[in-house]
Amino acid sequence: GAVVSQHPSRVICKSGTSVKIECRSLDFQATTMFWYRQFPKKSLMLMATSNEGSKATYEQGVEKDKFLINHASLTLSTLTVTSAHPEDSSFYICSAFREANVLTFGAGSRLTVL
Amino acid sequence: QKEVEQNSGPLSVPEGAIASLNCTYSDRGSQSFFWYRQYSGKSPELIMSIYSNGDKEDGRFTAQLNKASQYVSLLIRDSQPSDSATYLCAVNRAGNQFYFGTGTSLTVIP
Repeated sequence: GAVVSQHPSRVICKSGTSVKIECRSLDFQATTMFWYRQFPKKSLMLMATSNEGSKATYEQGVEKDKFLINHASLTLSTLTVTSAHPEDSSFYICSAFREANVLTFGAGSRLTVL
Repeated sequence: QKEVEQNSGPLSVPEGAIASLNCTYSDRGSQSFFWYRQYSGKSPELIMSIYSNGDKEDGRFTAQLNKASQYVSLLIRDSQPSDSATYLCAVNRAGNQFYFGTGTSLTVIP
């Protein structure tokens, strides 16, 4: 079946550094991908919609200069958390439509900022 | 009013019982409806989709949709401890507009 691959699954970084998370659609093309974050025991929060070949659409309250999204190909979107701080520690999950109206999630990336 | 509303629970049922999870949505124009299961520390996985009124069964899972009442439910028969997770209701209005509920935490007690 269709798979959305996300890497890395876990990352620990120092405060002030930048971290890149990759999201790949392995056997289908994804013109649109979505990035979510989730705090412990909280619901999914949509951060942005990543569009291949164009700028991402950010949800209200999400800093686009802090969370850089690049969707350079039909199978790859990246989320870069710039100048990370401890409050950015969270579970980041990407997703894509593998077929019409069916959203498939990557395995998620747990970011810990020290 | 939230786009998708769920009772956060927690919902506890004994092993072998039927677990009933409910969800309401606000937009009558919503077209597709989904239930995702999320284990602690993991990402959501799709377990059911439903597009038309009525029931849809898949193994121990039955999704029920009532568009007139703007209501979606998920029944889990013969609940197992491995069913313990958070269940997310999701609604697709059109195109890329996808909305999630806050999730219902289910615990199946052995």
